[in-house]
Amino acid sequence: ETGVTQTPRHLVMGMTNKKSLKCEQHLGHNAMYWYKQSAKKPLELMFVYSLEERVENNSVPSRFSPECPNSSHLFLHLHTLQPEDSALYLCASSQGLQAYEQYFGPGTRLTVT
Amino acid sequence: GQQLNQSPQSMFIQEGEDVSMNCTSSSIFNTWLWYKQDPGEGPVLLIALYKAGELTSNGRLTAQFGITRKDSFLNISASIPSDVGIYFCAGHSQKTSGSRLTFGEGTQLTVNP
Repeated sequence: ETGVTQTPRHLVMGMTNKKSLKCEQHLGHNAMYWYKQSAKKPLELMFVYSLEERVENNSVPSRFSPECPNSSHLFLHLHTLQPEDSALYLCASSQGLQAYEQYFGPGTRLTVT
Repeated sequence: GQQLNQSPQSMFIQEGEDVSMNCTSSSIFNTWLWYKQDPGEGPVLLIALYKAGELTSNGRLTAQFGITRKDSFLNISASIPSDVGIYFCAGHSQKTSGSRLTFGEGTQLTVNP
């Protein structure tokens, strides 16, 4: 595997379900990010991790819970989501917080029913 | 907050034509990035710019960092059908916190064969 991978690519879940999104980067980077991409809107930064430590939480509802067990893996745990949370969730990584070139995974298309 | 205005929102061109799109900001940026996103995929980094006035090419793509540091331009020469997709600009400002990037809303490019 190369670059940034994300699983699953597609996810349909009910509002009472609990699921997790997984991201893995194979670039040796130290910073990882979660973004939300909704139609016709700019990318919204959700969380930033640097060396496994959360450095930014962009006022995201608590029904989204990130986890970064090591510098290569990032998870987004989901529970009791709302239909408006349906979107493409993108993971990205960069060499460090001051390296502005971010490399994205293919995303997870989430549909909340 | 900071905003990036990207134009045009969409373009419909014939194969072989040249394309120009731009991104403007009301504040100064010290880094500009251009990404392309294919349907169902994550954004792919095309070009990164770090210096005012810088002109950088990547194959048929050329991007420029505006002298005022408040804008950037992307040109595609001799377009081909696989150029279809959404092109995003992203910028980083010294005034923003950490590694936060500001993204434009994208330019949807359609190339007719």
